[in-house]
Amino acid sequence: EAAVTQSPRNKVAVTGGKVTLSCNQTNNHNNMYWYRQDTGHGLRLIHYSYGAGSTEKGDIPDGYKASRPSQENFSLILELATPSQTSVYFCASGDLGGRDTLYFGAGTRLSVL
Amino acid sequence: QQQVRQSPQSLTVWEGETAILNCSYEDSTFDYFPWYHQFPGESPALLIAIRPVSNKKEDGRFTIFFNKREKKFSLHIADSQPGDSATYFCAASSNSAGNKLTFGIGTRVLVRP
Repeated sequence: EAAVTQSPRNKVAVTGGKVTLSCNQTNNHNNMYWYRQDTGHGLRLIHYSYGAGSTEKGDIPDGYKASRPSQENFSLILELATPSQTSVYFCASGDLGGRDTLYFGAGTRLSVL
Repeated sequence: QQQVRQSPQSLTVWEGETAILNCSYEDSTFDYFPWYHQFPGESPALLIAIRPVSNKKEDGRFTIFFNKREKKFSLHIADSQPGDSATYFCAASSNSAGNKLTFGIGTRVLVRP
């Protein structure tokens, strides 16, 4: 069974603060993704990675950075958090990119006050 | 810019009826079309997927119908059960665009007993 673990599961941050969301996968998948889920918008891709050391911009990258230091770990960084970044964030991993099953983590609920 | 349009946003059916969820797309390079489902409080998970070499894909009570000419695809849930109540997301990806999945906004399905 594929395993994608996100931390923290819940986070409350202050406007202007730095937030780091972490994701670890034990599937040895090359590709990892960060999505945010908002009512009325579905799942929107923020950043993704093809492997250690690589990061690519998704459809809504503004205000976010990503880091892929190893095959297993992929982080999403909000340098200056804003209330508009209040959302549920999902990390996912997969092989063959979007051509194969994406395995999602349990999600991180972020509130920026 | 919404590359994958999904409708309706919500759908209520009675147990035993067929639920029909619709999606359309604009990018003619899209060539992989999965459906994910998400139960309340859980993360999305792959339900069924189709590639345009065929215009129909069945898996039990779930069927994807694909119309390449009209750039439309739909999910039919036959003999709907209360346990099918969830949010369903259609998605699409393109081999020429990094294989990243673009999701629709989701359809919340409620099956009444």
